[in-house]
Amino acid sequence: EVQLLQSGGGLVQPGGSLRLSCAASGFTFSTNAMNWVRQAPGKGLEWVSAISGDGVYTYYADYVKGRFTISRDNSKNTLYLQMNSLRAEDTAVYYCAKNKGDARFDYWGQGTLVTVSS
Amino acid sequence: DIQMTQSPSSLSASVGDRVSITCQASQDISKHLNWYQQKPGKAPKLLIYDASNLETGVPSRFSGSGSGTDFTFTISSLQPEDIATYYCQQYDKISLAFGGGTKVEIK
Repeated sequence: EVQLLQSGGGLVQPGGSLRLSCAASGFTFSTNAMNWVRQAPGKGLEWVSAISGDGVYTYYADYVKGRFTISRDNSKNTLYLQMNSLRAEDTAVYYCAKNKGDARFDYWGQGTLVTVSS
Repeated sequence: DIQMTQSPSSLSASVGDRVSITCQASQDISKHLNWYQQKPGKAPKLLIYDASNLETGVPSRFSGSGSGTDFTFTISSLQPEDIATYYCQQYDKISLAFGGGTKVEIK
């Protein structure tokens, strides 16, 4: 059974940093691209970042480029999102999502809330 | 970047009704369009991929069509368990974008 178990959310002050983790099981992690998608309270889905299975290629939405870094440790079957210079508008539930084929997300983590507030 | 315009933003229909949602891309995306269902407090669920392919295990009352810039998602006979928000999602070589969502309610 595929599982994506997220951790690392919480309350952080503007300008602060936070690292999210997504532990994967039930599939061959290293052969699947992974993504982060977020959802601000009461709002729609917003793609954040993607990383290839081997970790060589990374992609970012313009609104997080230069502040967020996606990475993965295939030896630990874990995906990460390092978030720096956080802003109030980054407040959202963050989901990790597994790629299937061409950028369709067939499995999702349970979501973790990141709140940026003083 | 490619923008996705999804409509309507909400709709109310009776059980058994046929329901349709549209998504328009700002440029040609071929068939690179997926549809998701999200229930309150839950992660999204993939329903349709590549515009018209039904994901494994998804009921056949859900369907998708379209290519290029105009796409349609249809529920052929609305059921109470279909109450949710539905999102389209496009992808190209380097970016992804979701539509704004359509909240489906029972009349």
